[in-house]
Amino acid sequence: EPEVTQTPSHQVTQMGQEVILRCVPISNHLYFYWYRQILGQKVEFLVSFYNNEISEKSEIFDDQFSVERPDGSNFTLKIRSTKLEDSAMYFCASSEQLSDTQYFGPGTRLTVL
Amino acid sequence: GQNIDQPTEMTATEGAIVQINCTYQTSGFNGLFWYQQHAGEAPTFLSYNVLDGLEEKGRFSSFLSRSKGYSYLLLKELQMKDSASYLCAVRRLGDYKLSFGAGTTVTVRA
Repeated sequence: EPEVTQTPSHQVTQMGQEVILRCVPISNHLYFYWYRQILGQKVEFLVSFYNNEISEKSEIFDDQFSVERPDGSNFTLKIRSTKLEDSAMYFCASSEQLSDTQYFGPGTRLTVL
Repeated sequence: GQNIDQPTEMTATEGAIVQINCTYQTSGFNGLFWYQQHAGEAPTFLSYNVLDGLEEKGRFSSFLSRSKGYSYLLLKELQMKDSASYLCAVRRLGDYKLSFGAGTTVTVRA
């Protein structure tokens, strides 16, 4: 069964450094998402991406964040200058159509020191 | 915004049934999802309701009442591996995102 994959599984970085989190959505899916989950808290929406542009973003997704689909398979989330409070699990998700189920990848645990 | 409420924790015995309730307040409701999340892992899809009524999928069933802003997830014949967090998520018409509740941690005891 096709799955969303994410790399790396765990990233440790220093405050102020840039990080890029990578995702490969399910191949026939058209809608891509990033969510995050701070330890012990609920899953929070960051951004959605469709037709090579951001379709919706939350207030968390400020100028420090950006997303890109650099080729036909990868979908990336960049955090330009990481803060301590960016430490969280970051999940990529994809869906075939807007109204369809979103399938989540295994996540990248980001630790900012 | 949306208010999505679920109980924080529930405990049940192996082989028993547990019902996890979710209430929500939103305009333009366009679907409710249940996901299972084991500690440190990704949410995995369990069920989806957009119309009123019961959806059954093996040991798991989900119910929706749109007029009451209420859903429940029913887990039957509980197994130890069902110990996890169960997340209720709502989508609004025109939104791309899912809005999640805080999750209900279910502990299954032998």
